[in-house]
Amino acid sequence: QKEVEQNSGPLSVPEGAIASLNCTYSDRGSQSFFWYRQYSGKSPELIMSIYSNGDKEDGRFTAQLNKASQYVSLLIRDSQPSDSATYLCAVNGYPGANNLFFGTGTRLTVIP
Amino acid sequence: EAGVTQFPSHSVIEKGQTVTLRCDPISGHDNLYWYRRVMGKEIKFLLHFVKESKQDESGMPNNRFLAERTGGTYSTLKVQPAELEDSGVYFCASSRGGGEKLFFGSGTQLSVL
Repeated sequence: QKEVEQNSGPLSVPEGAIASLNCTYSDRGSQSFFWYRQYSGKSPELIMSIYSNGDKEDGRFTAQLNKASQYVSLLIRDSQPSDSATYLCAVNGYPGANNLFFGTGTRLTVIP
Repeated sequence: EAGVTQFPSHSVIEKGQTVTLRCDPISGHDNLYWYRRVMGKEIKFLLHFVKESKQDESGMPNNRFLAERTGGTYSTLKVQPAELEDSGVYFCASSRGGGEKLFFGSGTQLSVL
């Protein structure tokens, strides 16, 4: 059984700070990695995907992947109160499909 | 473009009853997935349709769960008979291609009393 581990939090950061969210996964053969954001009572929304080692930046978001350490992270720069949500790390179990394995999520609160 | 829609948003039933959840994927999305989150646990994969065919149903918990996607459009997930441990949020998601961006519905909160 593939496992994805996240700190459940809550993680609190002041507005304007960098929020750092971390995730580890058990299956060394995993190839695709995703970060979803879920506001309370809403659907998970894909915000970042990463497939190769290194950093991938999109606006204020940076995903980092280290396959040797089986570690993926999400950095949110200039955090805003609207970033307050639960962030879910997900790993693709099968190439070409979306049979994802999720972590339990980290709840982030950005304090104005 | 309409997103993935799920009905009902909430369902409260008694143990032993039957419940049917419905999912309408985004138009044109051949791939449809069911996921479930029980309280305190992670979101878990249940099954995957490609059009009307079940591609992978390895996550279905037991034979009390039956998923269908007649005609390759909307899908239903029936739980019969429901047990207490079936309580949770059932998410549907769809994508155009097999590994393409996955769009989730807002889920059905199922409470079995």
